Amino acid sequence: IAGITQAPTSQILAAGRRMTLRCTQDMRHNAMYWYRQDLGLGLRLIHYSNTAGTTGKGEVPDGYSVSRANTDDFPLTLASAVPSQTSVYFCASSDLQGAGYTFGSGTRLTVV
Amino acid sequence: QKEVEQNSGPLSVPEGAIASLNCTYSDRVSQSFFWYRQYSGKSPELIMSIYSNGDKEDGRFTAQLNKASQYVSLLIRDSQPSDSATYLCLAYEAAGNKLTFGGGTRVLVKP
Repeated sequence: IAGITQAPTSQILAAGRRMTLRCTQDMRHNAMYWYRQDLGLGLRLIHYSNTAGTTGKGEVPDGYSVSRANTDDFPLTLASAVPSQTSVYFCASSDLQGAGYTFGSGTRLTVV
Repeated sequence: QKEVEQNSGPLSVPEGAIASLNCTYSDRVSQSFFWYRQYSGKSPELIMSIYSNGDKEDGRFTAQLNKASQYVSLLIRDSQPSDSATYLCLAYEAAGNKLTFGGGTRVLVKP
């Protein structure tokens, strides 16, 4: 693994189903983030974690949950998917020294 | 008002010309700034970072920061069709570990 790995790459999901998007980094970055990107709306922060064991809400947290059991993994769960959650999801990490983000390659999720 | 503002574009420039992108921010405590390039369907990639007032050059890219006026800009010299992408400005504020994106500027370089 080099950098950030996201899985799956894409997914079509029936509305009402539960889904977990996976994110793993090998850079030992303290902070990790989940963004969604929609046409015309830019990148919007869903949840973040400044360090293992802590999480926080971003701009659009409703319908999503996260956990940070260790430094490397930061899964995002949709408990009951709705069509408005159709989007491209990016996981990112940064060290707390403000060196900017490293992004994963994204997960394209379609909820039908 | 958004905390980090960019003109959404598209900014159309002829091949070989200079593309000039601007980003303004409202939070005076922002300390570090980053420019990301995002090709359609791909993830953002870091191209420049700048922390101090003045210019920073890296190849064909120059970032300019003016903290008094609260703007940061990116110049792309000798623009190539491969520079056609969306460019995202990111502001970082250390005290709250707060990272804020602008909405991005779409650049089209025409041969």
